[in-house]
This record gives sequence, structure tokens and C-alpha cells, in this order.
Amino acid sequence: DGGITQSPKYLFRKEGQNVTLSCEQNLNHDAMYWYRQDPGQGLRLIYYSQIVNDFQKGDIAEGYSVSREKKESFPLTVTSAQKNPTAFYLCASSNSYYGYTFGSGTRLTVV
Amino acid sequence: GQQVMQIPQYQHVQEGEDFTTYCNSSTTLSNIQWYKQRPGGHPVFLIQLVKSGEVKKQKRLTFQFGEAKKNSSLHITATQTTDVGTYFCAGPYLSSGSARQLTFGSGTQLTVLP
Repeated sequence: DGGITQSPKYLFRKEGQNVTLSCEQNLNHDAMYWYRQDPGQGLRLIYYSQIVNDFQKGDIAEGYSVSREKKESFPLTVTSAQKNPTAFYLCASSNSYYGYTFGSGTRLTVV
Repeated sequence: GQQVMQIPQYQHVQEGEDFTTYCNSSTTLSNIQWYKQRPGGHPVFLIQLVKSGEVKKQKRLTFQFGEAKKNSSLHITATQTTDVGTYFCAGPYLSSGSARQLTFGSGTQLTVLP
């Protein structure tokens, strides 16, 4: 079955540590996205990529970095510069504006 | 600032009652999408509306896009416990990047009491 796989499901980060969240899709979608979700809030766009080797900052990119070396993969690194990283991170993909497909998410907690 | 407002933020209904959530945009939208997120889950795409005044139905769910393409609503008739979750609207806006990307409303969390 086609879909998006995010790993790990849960991740714990120590202060000052960088962590990388994985996102892989086999839907052959060109565009991929990273969103952050905090309790009681909507989804906020961190980064997006419309083609391989190209990506753009979203509304809350500070403290995050991404790469898009393969069409299928769009990993997100949460750096130590992100002061409040505890959140639910969602990866999505699409071939157009019609209907984003989301992964099951990664819950990141700072310990 | 937030470009998509959704109300109410929370709604509790008795099973069998109707439910409506409203979405308002600060600007005219080319289209609007609706998603459902079950508790502990991820958003799942429900529908997209494109035309002014468009109405679409999915079983007990009715979606409307306003004439001015700045507001939308989702109405659920005779709610069931399976309708529990948070409903988000989303529209394409110019982000800090170079292209329009989906911006999500803050969502309406629906609780259905049996």
C-alpha cells in the first residue's frame, strides 16, 4: 500500500541535542511538507519542498533544517537552536493542492 | 498572524444531534479543504471545495463554500460516536516561501456523548 512513513513515533531529546525525524513516501508525490502541531492549535508549516534538491522555509522555520536528496525522503532536523521543540510533528505529501496525505506523526519531547 | 479562523474551538453534542463548524478567511481563497483528525491520530483529507457557493455532501457531512470564497462550513447531521475528532479547514496562502501553501485553521474539537 502507498503511504507516508514517519519514524520514530516517539522521540526524546536532551537539551542542546540535535535530532532528526524521518519521513518517507512511496506515493510518487513531488511535494513534501513538515508541519508542527501544538495542543489546541492548528498545524503550522515548517518547511516544504516541491522538487528534489529544492526546499523553502515555511512560517516557523527557525531552529529547523531539512534536506531533499531523494523524491521519496524529506527528513527534518530539530536543532538545539529550537527553544521549544516539544510538539507533534507531521509530514505530508501531495501532487497538487488537492488533498495532502499525512504520515502518522512523531511526538518529540525535550527531557 | 492567523489567516484562517475557525469556530467554535470545542463542541460537545449528544449523539444524534447536529454539529456545525465555521471557517473564515482574511482573504479570498482559490479553494478550501477540510480534514479530520481522530484523537491521537493524523489529519485525513475529507474534501476540497473550489467554486463560489459550492455545496458537497458525503453521507451525513455537508460542506459549503461561501459566495465570496472567504468562508466555509461543515455540517454533520445526526452525529455518531465515530464522528469524534478535530475538524480542520485549510486554504492556500502565500507563505514566507515563494509559493502558496496550505494554512490550517485552529480546528474544532468535536466530542459526541453517547
